[in-house]
Amino acid sequence: AQSVTQLDSHVSVSEGTPVLLRCNYSSSYSPSLFWYVQHPNKGLQLLLKYTSAATLVKGINGFEAEFKKSETSFHLTKPSAHMSDAAEYFCVVSQWAGSYQLTFGKGTKLSVIP
Amino acid sequence: KAGVTQTPRYLIKTRGQQVTLSCSPISGHRSVSWYQQTPGQGLQFLFEYFSETQRNKGNFPGRFSGRQFSNSRSEMNVSTLELGDSALYLCASGSFPGADQETQYFGPGTRLLVL
Repeated sequence: AQSVTQLDSHVSVSEGTPVLLRCNYSSSYSPSLFWYVQHPNKGLQLLLKYTSAATLVKGINGFEAEFKKSETSFHLTKPSAHMSDAAEYFCVVSQWAGSYQLTFGKGTKLSVIP
Repeated sequence: KAGVTQTPRYLIKTRGQQVTLSCSPISGHRSVSWYQQTPGQGLQFLFEYFSETQRNKGNFPGRFSGRQFSNSRSEMNVSTLELGDSALYLCASGSFPGADQETQYFGPGTRLLVL
């Protein structure tokens, strides 16, 4: 069975400072990993994905994540936070089980202070 | 390409009623999945359809059902609504089989309020 743990339910940063959102996963096989972002009253937007190619993955809006198999981690980072980054972020594992099934973390709410 | 569309965007129903939600996937995508999002339970998988067949189902009561049409559009139905069914219902489409098949692209959701 697969599982995802997002280590912080809420992260607050000042505008212009780095962002770090932490995610650990558990999976029986080599997983595909994703980060999605959800702005208030919106659907989920794909930020980036890891599918066993390069371990450092670049996404949209300056976000990137590094897959570390030894640590079973897939942390999301951004060098400089912008006000528009305030949203909820979900770390997701996808595995094949007759179809591609997503397991979601509980989400990290990012607040950006002006 | 147009993204995933869901209708209606907002819905208010009363307990005991039934509701049907609609989802149109990205053009060319044949896999459609449904998720329920609530503050208490987070995002939970409802079911997945491919080529008009349900391939997987989450742990929800039989009141929740779905179907997929030959054009890949999907509907989900909830009968005998309960207060706890109030949620954001998200539809996602995937390109299975094919490149990028592990990735699911989400629609804006349907916000259901049960009174």
